[in-house]
Amino acid sequence: KAGVTQTPRYLIKTRGQQVTLSCSPISGHRSVSWYQQTPGQGLQFLFEYFSETQRNKGNFPGRFSGRQFSNSRSEMNVSTLELGDSALYLCASSLGLGSTRYQETQYFGPGTRLLVL
Amino acid sequence: AQSVTQLDSHVSVSEGTPVLLRCNYSSSYSPSLFWYVQHPNKGLQLLLKYTSAATLVKGINGFEAEFKKSETSFHLTKPSAHMSDAAEYFCVVSELRAGNNRKLIWGLGTSLAVNP
Repeated sequence: KAGVTQTPRYLIKTRGQQVTLSCSPISGHRSVSWYQQTPGQGLQFLFEYFSETQRNKGNFPGRFSGRQFSNSRSEMNVSTLELGDSALYLCASSLGLGSTRYQETQYFGPGTRLLVL
Repeated sequence: AQSVTQLDSHVSVSEGTPVLLRCNYSSSYSPSLFWYVQHPNKGLQLLLKYTSAATLVKGINGFEAEFKKSETSFHLTKPSAHMSDAAEYFCVVSELRAGNNRKLIWGLGTSLAVNP
């Protein structure tokens, strides 16, 4: 089975621009989560999607948004980029099976490294 | 409030000596607990997880962790460190919330260095 894929792997943008990152989960996985990873802040949860609906959201400004498609693929968008948005953005997928979801392993993609100049 | 505390941000051991990475948590629920590992320039990978079965959990690469409810701890151990164990380790608490939603709380990570 193919793992979680993320595109692009690297991205350079300038302040004020917007960016869209893509994530394809493992086949059969219906839950997709997004994280921001920076050296100083560790892993920060952005949001989780399940069946095209946002189920959880972290404490990020409205400039960060996401969506999930019917095939479970997900995109996240960051508008009006700031220097502080430079980070590794990780996507993780899991099965998403009812009441046992909290016990499920998350499978991570390699990440998209975003540099904002 | 729910929280995860990884008690050491950096741990340094010699190759062949034991590894102990400490994790304490606070949860109002009956959580599942996970340890994930991130090797340099590689993705995050599950090391092991506790899901209310056996309290001593064995993972990959010789790692194990013991869930101690009375101490609210889930420390990660390995009898003998290998150079390839050098990585960042994350402790995670997962809780079931209303509507079958999942609440994950991540620790800040422990960087493990292994010296020859």
